Amino acid sequence: AQKVTQAQTEISVVEKEDVTLDCVYETRDTTYYLFWYKQPPSGELVFLIRRNSFDEQNEISGRYSWNFQKSTSSFNFTITASQVVDSAVYFCALSYYNQGGKLIFGQGTELSVKP
Amino acid sequence: SAVISQKPSRDICQRGTSLTIQCQVDSQVTMMFWYRQQPGQSLTLIATANQGSEATYESGFVIDKFPISRPNLTFSTLTVSNMSPEDSSIYLCSVRMTGSSYNEQFFGPGTRLTVL
Repeated sequence: AQKVTQAQTEISVVEKEDVTLDCVYETRDTTYYLFWYKQPPSGELVFLIRRNSFDEQNEISGRYSWNFQKSTSSFNFTITASQVVDSAVYFCALSYYNQGGKLIFGQGTELSVKP
Repeated sequence: SAVISQKPSRDICQRGTSLTIQCQVDSQVTMMFWYRQQPGQSLTLIATANQGSEATYESGFVIDKFPISRPNLTFSTLTVSNMSPEDSSIYLCSVRMTGSSYNEQFFGPGTRLTVL
């Protein structure tokens, strides 16, 4: 089965707290891609990161970091020192090399950062 | 990346009517996709828009309900036919860039549809 699970439906934190959004995926393929997107209240989907299945190196971009672990089929996303502008719905997604690039999305995690 | 525009940005329609949504990209793209996001839900792929041929639909979506056109490498339309309130959703166009790293996908701003 091809599936992405984001078990956290909603998370609420106070500004400057660190927060981790969990993503667990299921796949039979060895070649696949994982994504994170941000959807602010405006509704537009903003691309954050893409990772391929052969690259388990963790990545940091400013306050954002991603932890990819194939052993646990997880691709978690951490925001350090959260800000109110981080409030949005975050989606994790999976794509396969031999399926033309279509994305399978998780259910999303709504993050609310309060001042 | 690419600049993707969608028209209309939002609309309120009556039951039984049809709406055509346009997706325009500022550069040629390999693949174009149409997704639906029902209220409070995740995104679900409707179909892959193929240039010069019939779209490829996902399970649960049919051409009679969601006809798609893609006359060239920068433009596609999605029609939502014979609408019912259950069709109220955000419809998003997505593209994969020609010559880019495989599977980099970008999304348009979406079309918010409300069916009364």
